Amino acid sequence: GDSVTQMEGPVTLSEEAFLTINCTYTATGYPSLFWYVQYPGEGLQLLLKATKADDKGSNKGFEATYRKETTSFHLEKGSVQVSDSAVYFCAPANSGGYQKVTFGTGTKLQVIP
Amino acid sequence: DAGVTQSPTHLIKTRGQHVTLRCSPISGHKSVSWYQQVLGQGPQFIFQYYEKEERGRGNFPDRFSARQFPNYSSELNVNALLLGDSALYLCASSLGLATYNEQFFGPGTRLTVL
Repeated sequence: GDSVTQMEGPVTLSEEAFLTINCTYTATGYPSLFWYVQYPGEGLQLLLKATKADDKGSNKGFEATYRKETTSFHLEKGSVQVSDSAVYFCAPANSGGYQKVTFGTGTKLQVIP
Repeated sequence: DAGVTQSPTHLIKTRGQHVTLRCSPISGHKSVSWYQQVLGQGPQFIFQYYEKEERGRGNFPDRFSARQFPNYSSELNVNALLLGDSALYLCASSLGLATYNEQFFGPGTRLTVL
């Protein structure tokens, strides 16, 4: 079945540092790729997505590129802020008659001033 | 516009009991999915319903069941509760079944089984 390997956390960074959270997946077919974020005390929400190879999803300064050849979708941000502290989930969505969304275990990011 | 709503917010049950969780999707969304999120883990897919029909089921026992109503709201039922069923149960709605459709999540129902 589909699976996701996501960078283990927690990740602690100083404000304005560069962020990379690695994500690789195993999936049959051609999934759409998502990053969801869960801020403290809030529900899960979409951060960004990419639906075909070499697409770059971006939002709030975060970026991720759909790399089909390496089955990866690494999340990056050039300069993190304290408000970026949250848990980040990589989630490929495959077809099969329904939205087969497989979530990673999540990477907790803590940004310190 | 209202987002996805879930009720109740919290629930405490004892082993062997039954529980019903409720979800109302965003207006216009015809698909509802249910997920179980154990503390420290990512959400695990339980069911997806579309136009009142079950379209997908995850690797959960038959104690878990669900249904979708004509107004697209949904219920998740869990029978014979086990301690291991303690988790945050998330409902998500989307426009349809296409893989590129974003799923919009509700705040969840926190279930504690004693």
